[in-house]
Amino acid sequence: EVKLLESGGGLVQPGGSMRLSCAASGFTFTDFYMNWIRQPAGKAPEWLGFIRNKANGYTTEYNPSVKGRFTISRDNTQNMLYLQMNTLRAEDTATYYCARVGIGAYWGQGTLVTVSS
Amino acid sequence: DIQMTQSPASLSASLEEIVTITCQASQDIGNWLAWYQQKPGKSPQLLIHSATSLADGIPSRFSGSRSGTQYSLKISRLQVEDTGIYYCLQRYSNPWTFGGGTKLELK
Repeated sequence: EVKLLESGGGLVQPGGSMRLSCAASGFTFTDFYMNWIRQPAGKAPEWLGFIRNKANGYTTEYNPSVKGRFTISRDNTQNMLYLQMNTLRAEDTATYYCARVGIGAYWGQGTLVTVSS
Repeated sequence: DIQMTQSPASLSASLEEIVTITCQASQDIGNWLAWYQQKPGKSPQLLIHSATSLADGIPSRFSGSRSGTQYSLKISRLQVEDTGIYYCLQRYSNPWTFGGGTKLELK
């Protein structure tokens, strides 16, 4: 059974940093592109970026809206996905999901990040 | 960025009714279109990928179609468990973009 479990969310002050983690299980992690997607309360989701699979060299792509502030990485020995977020703003407040997208898509349950003083 | 204009924003329908939700892409996206359903407090679940292909485990009353740059999700006989918010997602180009969502309720 595919499982994606996010952690690391919480309250952070504007200008601060936070690292989210996603533990993956139930599938061959290195075969899949992995994504981060966020969703502010009551709004549509926003795709943040992905990190490619082993066959494509684990390279990354980012939404220009977060490029330069957010960094996606993965630890393939631990089946972990990460999102490093810097210089956080109030508008970054959202539930953050890690996700496989495409055929066989699966999203985690999400972790809430609140940026507020 | 490619804009995905989803309509209607909300919809109230009766049991067994046929429901159609559409997404209009601002430019060609081929078949790089998926449909998701989201229940309150839950993460989105894939219904349709590649514009017309039913995801594993999804009931056959759900179907997707494409006409040019307009994409549609059809529920052939609405059931109670089909209430929720529906989103389209284009993966043709960066940034991937979602439609604004359609809230489907039972009348």
